[in-house]
Amino acid sequence: DSGVTQTPKHLITATGQRVTLRCSPRSGDLSVYWYQQSLDQGLQFLIHYYNGEERAKGNILERFSAQQFPDLHSELNLSSLELGDSALYFCASSARDALHNEQFFGPGTRLTVL
Amino acid sequence: GDSVTQMEGPVTLSEEAFLTINCTYTATGYPSLFWYVQYPGEGLQLLLKATKADDKGSNKGFEATYRKETTSFHLEKGSVQVSDSAVYFCALSPHNAGNMLTFGGGTRLMVKP
Repeated sequence: DSGVTQTPKHLITATGQRVTLRCSPRSGDLSVYWYQQSLDQGLQFLIHYYNGEERAKGNILERFSAQQFPDLHSELNLSSLELGDSALYFCASSARDALHNEQFFGPGTRLTVL
Repeated sequence: GDSVTQMEGPVTLSEEAFLTINCTYTATGYPSLFWYVQYPGEGLQLLLKATKADDKGSNKGFEATYRKETTSFHLEKGSVQVSDSAVYFCALSPHNAGNMLTFGGGTRLMVKP
């Protein structure tokens, strides 16, 4: 158990809908990262938040957005969903001063868009 | 941009066989290098890491050496077990650049009894 929790574990929805994925980092970790794992694109970095502020963006679509709240949990919002958004979405966290960025991953949310 | 290339799987071995999974990278500067493992239905777990050239990361019998001259970080284990069956990801994290991880495509390892 990494200490990172993600809810829900599974999500099934229809095209055009909007969903919110939630992540709680390990106790004391200030950084939260979101990754998407799909069969065709592999594991891709989406976005990084540190202590409530966005720090870096990767291959994140404009239909996707995220935020980190004062209690440090984070939410990833996916809107106008398409079939191709079906994937595993992982959240990871790291400590403020983690040497060379050791990231701890949650169990993931499996999103299925029908 | 940065990239990681790993050998495609699946790799199928018998128990107690020697394992090598190749990983090479392209990056500017001196990234940190990682191997993560993903067991079925689970998230990624850090297996080992190396932060500078010639460093050797090791854990649970797995080893990998940071080779800057060949830009490689190959994963090895002398004697695999059935419980090692999983998907292995090589990854890098650039210094001072947001600390995101760039992953390779993953290599599925299947170990037969």
